[in-house]
Amino acid sequence: SQQGEEDPQALSIQEGENATMNCSYKTSINNLQWYRQNSGRGLVHLILIRSNEREKHSGRLRVTLDTSKKSSSLLITASRAADTASYFCATETSGSRLTFGEGTQLTVNP
Amino acid sequence: EAGVAQSPRYKIIEKRQSVAFWCNPISGHATLYWYQQILGQGPKLLIQFQNNGVVDDSQLPKDRFSAERLKGVDSTLKIQPAKLEDSAVYLCASSHSFRGAKNIQYFGAGTRLSVL
Repeated sequence: SQQGEEDPQALSIQEGENATMNCSYKTSINNLQWYRQNSGRGLVHLILIRSNEREKHSGRLRVTLDTSKKSSSLLITASRAADTASYFCATETSGSRLTFGEGTQLTVNP
Repeated sequence: EAGVAQSPRYKIIEKRQSVAFWCNPISGHATLYWYQQILGQGPKLLIQFQNNGVVDDSQLPKDRFSAERLKGVDSTLKIQPAKLEDSAVYLCASSHSFRGAKNIQYFGAGTRLSVL
């Protein structure tokens, strides 16, 4: 069964706007990661946040983690057409398996 | 640094035939993963190797799927016989290790399998 669930399933915005994607999970985690997948390609790691961290930044990306609510959000600021992709959250549990959610399809219109 | 290499990129077979996929991970990565990604879904782990030993194969349909990692480097995933529901992209990934920050995974481009 999938551990993480992303919301929304699809998001369409204009270039320059911010995009926010959410991820909820069910069990305790060691860390949570976000990956991007361009159409027809493999996944690319974006950012990792540990269970004892609340917020992390990387360039135009901001990730938050609320372990009490078992949720995370990924914010992409000043979006570009090149950000168009599917975004997946993945949780690592004590069993060490990385479990991926269903993904959010982001479309950034020029 | 060379990335994860997979071949072939595409494969079309008929049901009940067999098929094999090959993966060469990033040099020095001890952990190798095979995922199945059905269209519109997230990747699902099939099997995870640490060097040449299996760490997790709990979601591998062992009646038809098999995988090996020779000498702890390259790996092959085989399906025999294939079913229609095996149509998916098969992704290979590797990482330095399988816990914590070292569990950042690097993915190949995948093999798209169509079973007719």
